[in-house]
Amino acid sequence: ILNVEQSPQSLHVQEGDSTNFTCSFPSSNFYALHWYRWETAKSPEALFVMTLNGDEKKKGRISATLNTKEGYSYLYIKGSQPEDSATYLCASPNAGNMLTFGGGTRLMVKP
Amino acid sequence: NAGVTQTPKFQVLKTGQSMTLQCAQDMNHEYMSWYRQDPGMGLRLIHYSVGAGITDQGEVPNGYNVSRSTTEDFPLRLLSAAPSQTSVYFCASTTGAKRAFFGQGTRLTVV
Repeated sequence: ILNVEQSPQSLHVQEGDSTNFTCSFPSSNFYALHWYRWETAKSPEALFVMTLNGDEKKKGRISATLNTKEGYSYLYIKGSQPEDSATYLCASPNAGNMLTFGGGTRLMVKP
Repeated sequence: NAGVTQTPKFQVLKTGQSMTLQCAQDMNHEYMSWYRQDPGMGLRLIHYSVGAGITDQGEVPNGYNVSRSTTEDFPLRLLSAAPSQTSVYFCASTTGAKRAFFGQGTRLTVV
């Protein structure tokens, strides 16, 4: 079981604010880092899968960076909208593809 | 393309009853897993399978059994339900280090 941690646990922002949260993971024996978006009453859906140090991925207003040497990834949301309200999960697989999830960051965007 | 199909969506059990949560995927993924989600604890791995005929324990396996007789199906059995097993359960499948696909979730209440 890998030690994957996320911070903060929850975050309240105003519509239009930009925000970011952190995922930390073991830097040794690294295979990949996943980000998922999880809306209430739905299933988690993948945002990004990153494998290389320095990777940057972007989807609309959401982007992510990866530092495998120091074991962290940031997720950024530019100009938050109420529909961005969700829990954002990161996860890392071990050699056997067993995904360990962080506890998630619950984002609430106020109109 | 159905993806991951998980049933039932809701279930209420009495303490001591047994039941099976069904999970099927049509993507020919080798890797399937079961998670439970409890408030403030993210997704915790119960059991996983890296291929037909192979299963292994995750972080919280006690009280649950799994089997993987085919690539497509990965049922989760609760042997004797306890109130501590009240949770939301998710089945997931993936291949390689790629993104995981999740079922719709099962909200289980044990009274």
